[in-house]
Amino acid sequence: AQTVTQSQPEMSVQEAETVTLSCTYDTSESDYYLFWYKQPPSRQMILVIRQEAYKQQNATENRFSVNFQKAAKSFSLKISDSQLGDAAMYFCAYRPPSGGSQGNLIFGKGTKLSVKP
Amino acid sequence: IAGITQAPTSQILAAGRRMTLRCTQDMRHNAMYWYRQDLGLGLRLIHYSNTAGTTGKGEVPDGYSVSRANTDDFPLTLASAVPSQTSVYFCASSIIAGGADTQYFGPGTRLTVL
Repeated sequence: AQTVTQSQPEMSVQEAETVTLSCTYDTSESDYYLFWYKQPPSRQMILVIRQEAYKQQNATENRFSVNFQKAAKSFSLKISDSQLGDAAMYFCAYRPPSGGSQGNLIFGKGTKLSVKP
Repeated sequence: IAGITQAPTSQILAAGRRMTLRCTQDMRHNAMYWYRQDLGLGLRLIHYSNTAGTTGKGEVPDGYSVSRANTDDFPLTLASAVPSQTSVYFCASSIIAGGADTQYFGPGTRLTVL
């Protein structure tokens, strides 16, 4: 069974600095998808970034980028120029390829990010 | 376009009562999901539906049932609520089951079972 592990329950970063959130996963599939979701205090789940496993190039979305290491099964999220609005819970998630019996996301337990002014 | 709506926003329920959490999406997505979120455990899948008329069990299905009579609606029913079902419940949908397409989430329902 696939599992997702986030080893940092809480992280803190100074405003304008860079922070990296860790995520590792376990799967026997070669083709899959990885996501980072942000959950602010409003409770809404917001997609931050996604990565297709067949792509070697790391995904980037403005200040958010990932370091995808397929062989190591690692998928870390880097937030550059941190802003107060980045404070939230961040969830790493794995999804199997299309056509599987379930298309659900498998989530890690989350990392709570605090941003200090 | 509303996306995904859930009702109620929050609910306090006596143990043993029956409760249905409602979920409606207007994006014509084929796949829909119910997750529960508990502190320190992340989100876990309760039930899913890859297309209207079909449903499947997720990681934590006991005590819950679902139906998918049409594309838009995916209600979650607790037949006889127990305190361990106190949680925040999220409904989600995606165009298809699996793949890179975005899974959209509703705003959640906070359920407290006393």
